[in-house]
Amino acid sequence: GDSVTQTEGLVTVTEGLPVKLNCTYQTTYLTIAFFWYVQYLNEAPQVLLKSSTDNKRTEHQGFHATLHKSSSSFHLQKSSAQLSDSALYYCALSESYNQGKLIFGQGTKLSIKP
Amino acid sequence: EAGVTQSPRYAVLQEGQAVSFWCDPISGHDTLYWYQQPRDQGPQLLVYFRDEAVIDNSQLPSDRFSAVRPKGTNSTLKIQSAKQGDTATYLCASSFSVSAETLYFGSGTRLTVL
Repeated sequence: GDSVTQTEGLVTVTEGLPVKLNCTYQTTYLTIAFFWYVQYLNEAPQVLLKSSTDNKRTEHQGFHATLHKSSSSFHLQKSSAQLSDSALYYCALSESYNQGKLIFGQGTKLSIKP
Repeated sequence: EAGVTQSPRYAVLQEGQAVSFWCDPISGHDTLYWYQQPRDQGPQLLVYFRDEAVIDNSQLPSDRFSAVRPKGTNSTLKIQSAKQGDTATYLCASSFSVSAETLYFGSGTRLTVL
């Protein structure tokens, strides 16, 4: 079946250093959309990034990700972490024509330390 | 613009008790989703509606769970006889249409079954 894998449950990074959160997937969907959602403590998940184009870099709020269909990956990166980036991050996929029917990964807790 | 509103914020009950969750989507959004988010896991789709019609309830444990959206606006998710395994946060989300690119989540109802 279709699935999304986030291998790290917790990532701890020192403020100012780069961040990379890994996301890989398996899917039988022919046309797909990929998302990174961020969930701050006691808040609703909200979309951070979205992409459906292979090998195209997508950026928002200092974060970026590139969908690589050849390696089935959509890793999230940021060049310089900020304390306010501490949150839960979820990678998710959907069919392109139904982007509310999401398959989420297990989530990665990002903790930024001073 | 008001976001997706859910109530109650928390619920604690004994096994075998019933509980209902209520969701008020963003005005004008015809598509509404219910997700279950167990602790330390990503959200998993339970059911979704377009207007008052159920589009997909294949992941809803039908023997104990039910969901309705009678007028195509607010929705109620009910658990008839709760089990400890139902302990999770229940998230409601809405979008302008099934093919819309942006999904808006509510803050969720955190259910604990003792």
